[in-house]
Amino acid sequence: DIQMTQSPSSLSASVGDRVTITCRASQGISNYLAWYQQKPGKVPKLLIYAASTLQSGVPSRFSGSGSGTDFTLTISSLQPEDVATYYCQKYIGAPLTFGGGTKVEIK
Amino acid sequence: EVQLLESGGGLVQPGGSLRLSCAASGFTFSSYAMTWVRQAPGKGLEWVSLISGSGGSTYYADSVKGRFTTSRDNSKNTVYLQMNSLRAEDTAVYYCAKARVVGAVADHHDYWGQGSLVTVSS
Repeated sequence: DIQMTQSPSSLSASVGDRVTITCRASQGISNYLAWYQQKPGKVPKLLIYAASTLQSGVPSRFSGSGSGTDFTLTISSLQPEDVATYYCQKYIGAPLTFGGGTKVEIK
Repeated sequence: EVQLLESGGGLVQPGGSLRLSCAASGFTFSSYAMTWVRQAPGKGLEWVSLISGSGGSTYYADSVKGRFTTSRDNSKNTVYLQMNSLRAEDTAVYYCAKARVVGAVADHHDYWGQGSLVTVSS
């Protein structure tokens, strides 16, 4: 099975900073990669699919890139409401494995 | 408006069984694959199972294979997760989630239920 590895596992940044989260697949998955945001105590929310397509209603400060095995989620200007844990997920086929998550906090 | 409402969670002893239900509304249920995802307390998301729109194809994580069964009743717009031989490590909030793309089987999820807590403990 394909493994999904996220880094870092946590980060702390200032409001307005550019934040980058990495997700690496153990085998190529083309662009079958989604990103989710889970705020504390809340349900996961789809941010990006097909590696770089923004889900409707998601702020444009979020962006995704990558293909094959290496992917990134970027928040161009971190806002207080972006405090959350972010997960990548591959969906090229079952199992639909999630990465371990990256917890983003405000410094 | 798409809504997913899980029910059936609770406290169960190790070795016991429980059936979760997820009632869907606001979309053509039979056209979309459905997934179960769980989250143990303080831990990350773990994909559990997937069922195609017709119910003809199902897939499971190795951690639950042979113990959990997912099914659906498209006449009732409901997907189920039958959990047998439960273990302490199955303790988690269980979410049902809808595939975003009509007809896709393996897909990402655009709508999630609120979750149902399953606690396995003696």
